[in-house]
Amino acid sequence: KQEVTQIPAALSVPEGENLVLNCSFTDSAIYNLQWFRQDPGKGLTSLLLIQSSQREQTSGRLNASLDKSSGRSTLYIAASQPGDSATYLCAVSGNQFYFGTGTSLTVIP
Amino acid sequence: DTAVSQTPKYLVTQMGNDKSIKCEQNLGHDTMYWYKQDSKKFLKIMFSYNNKELIINETVPNRFSPKSPDKAHLNLHINSLELGDSAVYFCASRDTNNSPLHFGNGTRLTVT
Repeated sequence: KQEVTQIPAALSVPEGENLVLNCSFTDSAIYNLQWFRQDPGKGLTSLLLIQSSQREQTSGRLNASLDKSSGRSTLYIAASQPGDSATYLCAVSGNQFYFGTGTSLTVIP
Repeated sequence: DTAVSQTPKYLVTQMGNDKSIKCEQNLGHDTMYWYKQDSKKFLKIMFSYNNKELIINETVPNRFSPKSPDKAHLNLHINSLELGDSAVYFCASRDTNNSPLHFGNGTRLTVT
């Protein structure tokens, strides 16, 4: 069964810093990997989707990479802002989506 | 304009009651899901329907019964509610296995 792990569980950085969130998964037979953001008391907002054949996707200050063979993905956030504070979740897709446990990010003004 | 909508947003009820949560998507997606998010924020799949047919049924008590009247709707009925059922329940949908997952805003269920 697919297991998805996110490290670190929590991260606190000063505004303006670049940061990397990590996601690892045990079964490389995936269709795609998706990064989400969840604000407190809210639903999940999709940030980036990387198909299994792709190496990376970019959207604004966000860049997600995928190394399927090693079972790893990273989400790079450039020039972090207080509005980036949220929980970030990765999910890998087979017949269903398997979610990681999330990284809680706090960007300090 | 909302893609995946759930009702109600909040649900407070007593142990032993029966309640339903409704979900509708206007994206034309074939597959819909119910996820449960516990107090530690871990998201666990409960059910998946593809074009009105049940395709995933994880280890969920029989008190939980999904109903899909058409492919745009997936409702969740819960019988004999227990304290441990308190959680946030999310509905989601996607088109194909290669497509992104779209979430509703969640229903916060509190059982007292």
